[in-house]
Amino acid sequence: SYELTQPPSVSVSPGQTARITCSGDALPKKYAHWYQQKSGQAPLLVIYEDSKRPSGIPERFSGSSSGTMATLTISGGQVEDEADYYCYSTDSSGNHWVFGGGTKLTVL
Amino acid sequence: QVQLQESGPGLVKPSQTLSLTCTVSGGSISIGSYYWSWIRQPAGKGLEWIGRIYTSGSSNYNPSLKSRVTISIDTSKNQFSLNLSSVTAADTAVYYCAREWCSGGSCYLVYWGRGALITVSS
Repeated sequence: SYELTQPPSVSVSPGQTARITCSGDALPKKYAHWYQQKSGQAPLLVIYEDSKRPSGIPERFSGSSSGTMATLTISGGQVEDEADYYCYSTDSSGNHWVFGGGTKLTVL
Repeated sequence: QVQLQESGPGLVKPSQTLSLTCTVSGGSISIGSYYWSWIRQPAGKGLEWIGRIYTSGSSNYNPSLKSRVTISIDTSKNQFSLNLSSVTAADTAVYYCAREWCSGGSCYLVYWGRGALITVSS
């Protein structure tokens, strides 16, 4: 079955840039979307279609994709950005969707 | 503003069928280019896509769960449902329903319910 691979954890100091990667064989042809999940809450869409930001999401959140890797970048990370982040995409058939394993972002 | 709310029994016995319903408010379930999806998350673990259904009734399922999962839609009640058969303790999780926007082959989950904790135990 199709898999998306993320690093388990990323740590930055406040104000630094955090980069979270997501790798998958179908990403050259399929979009990646990114979700933020804080403890006890439902996930929140922060980036869709590789690099688009929904309304209400701070500009410090950005996304990019190249080849088999998509990247979520948080420029000037803040303590409030501490959360788990998940990428979401589909396999080459477009019929089966999958989340990456998730990355715990620590800002301290 | 679209809102989704999961409902169902919090406790299910092993080998039985887990049944959950998602009630949609703030918009008709039968209008628009939306898929209606189920996702779950075991305690302390990551998100797992279970499957989804379109208003036409066409559906897609996670291959690892396909033999046990059925998702259905009731447009008259503005609800969609999840049935997961032959459950074990490994199916204990928070179950989320969500609305997925699709356009040109790109799909992403925008609106989520708050989640319902389902425990499988005798």
